[in-house]
Amino acid sequence: GAGVSQSPSNKVTEKGKDVELRCDPISGHTALYWYRQSLGQGLEFLIYFQGNSAPDKSGLPSDRFSAERTGGSVSTLTIQRTQQEDSAVYLCASSFGTGVFYGYTFGSGTRLTVV
Amino acid sequence: KNEVEQSPQNLTAQEGEFITINCSYSVGISALHWLQQHPGGGIVSLFMLSSGKKKHGRLIATINIQEKHSSLHITASHPRDSAVYICAVIFQGAQKLVFGQGTRLTINP
Repeated sequence: GAGVSQSPSNKVTEKGKDVELRCDPISGHTALYWYRQSLGQGLEFLIYFQGNSAPDKSGLPSDRFSAERTGGSVSTLTIQRTQQEDSAVYLCASSFGTGVFYGYTFGSGTRLTVV
Repeated sequence: KNEVEQSPQNLTAQEGEFITINCSYSVGISALHWLQQHPGGGIVSLFMLSSGKKKHGRLIATINIQEKHSSLHITASHPRDSAVYICAVIFQGAQKLVFGQGTRLTINP
């Protein structure tokens, strides 16, 4: 597609349930990033994938969070046993690479609400 | 600690005014991004720069590497410019973006 596609755009879930968020990057983009923006807070890094390298998971807030990227394309962010503090907008971005010359394209985000 | 500070946090101006949003960072960077986020919308990348100045329409971004400072300017501001503007940097040796808290800009007609 022409841009980074995220689904669902909105998700309301009950506390304790698992959720999966999907990101479909721009075709050919080797780098894929997940960020989170909590209400009233700035953006924070969660995880990034670059090609076949091991992902940088240093931003994941707890072991309830995991992500995978299949075939170097689509990525899924999974949150297990969701908590109310997980409520946020989850943003995905992709780029041709991680070098400083590559710009980012962001998706529209998934707004997750845990009730 | 690698930090990114933006100012002001909130800015309200009248249509037509010249707008400046500032961004300072703590240590050396590889690149700096200016992003725009509309209410309820996704994020759009406005500029990526590592030195000098870039211009796109009414938007101008400058960076001073020695002073560790960047500015985003909007000339002839318009209500449709109302959004949150976010400065984000890639610190040297790192790969991920570190974000400022954003500047909420409101342009009144």
